[in-house]
Amino acid sequence: DAKTTQPPSMDCAEGRAANLPCNHSTISGNEYVYWYRQIHSQGPQYIIHGLKNNETNEMASLIITEDRKSSTLILPHATLRDTAVYYCIVSSGNTPLVFGKGTRLSVIA
Amino acid sequence: DAGVIQSPRHEVTEMGQEVTLRCKPISGHDYLFWYRQTMMRGLELLIYFNNNVPIDDSGMPEDRFSAKMPNASFSTLKIQPSEPRDSAVYFCASSLALRALSYGYTFGSGTRLTVV
Repeated sequence: DAKTTQPPSMDCAEGRAANLPCNHSTISGNEYVYWYRQIHSQGPQYIIHGLKNNETNEMASLIITEDRKSSTLILPHATLRDTAVYYCIVSSGNTPLVFGKGTRLSVIA
Repeated sequence: DAGVIQSPRHEVTEMGQEVTLRCKPISGHDYLFWYRQTMMRGLELLIYFNNNVPIDDSGMPEDRFSAKMPNASFSTLKIQPSEPRDSAVYFCASSLALRALSYGYTFGSGTRLTVV
């Protein structure tokens, strides 16, 4: 599965949109982009996934560039409860998900 | 459904003792995964099962580690003998499928193991 690159940490003001970038320049055509987050002392939680098109659900939006080499997870109105480590994972689904170091998002009041 | 249930939540044991971690996956999920998380190595996959059969245990660090899934509703991860470097948070996760589109893997709350 392709590797991903994420910034180690980011800050976001409460109520503002949090935009978390992820680079996956070696992604293959059959690989999906997944986002999970891990709130302190809890297990990772699925957020959203996508292949080519932009996706939106009740938690977040996922924007994938046309060449699919990068993506952005958007939390439209960040709250203090969104403070967590966010993992971007690229996988074909033939093997279990492999988690990298992720981005530690701090939402500041 | 109550989600993936792990027990105990915390375990403190002495070096050399046997430790058994337990997991009850979500009913109907065909896949079960054991992950380990440390500050140094992050979240690592140890082993996973499909329909109670171990598929890949290449992530199991040593022969001291073993995992079983005797039925669809129960799995154990055993460490014997335990060592201080085994101290970590161990997560169990389950899923309907390996790809897990639209619903993802569901993780338990983890077991924090401390070996002194």
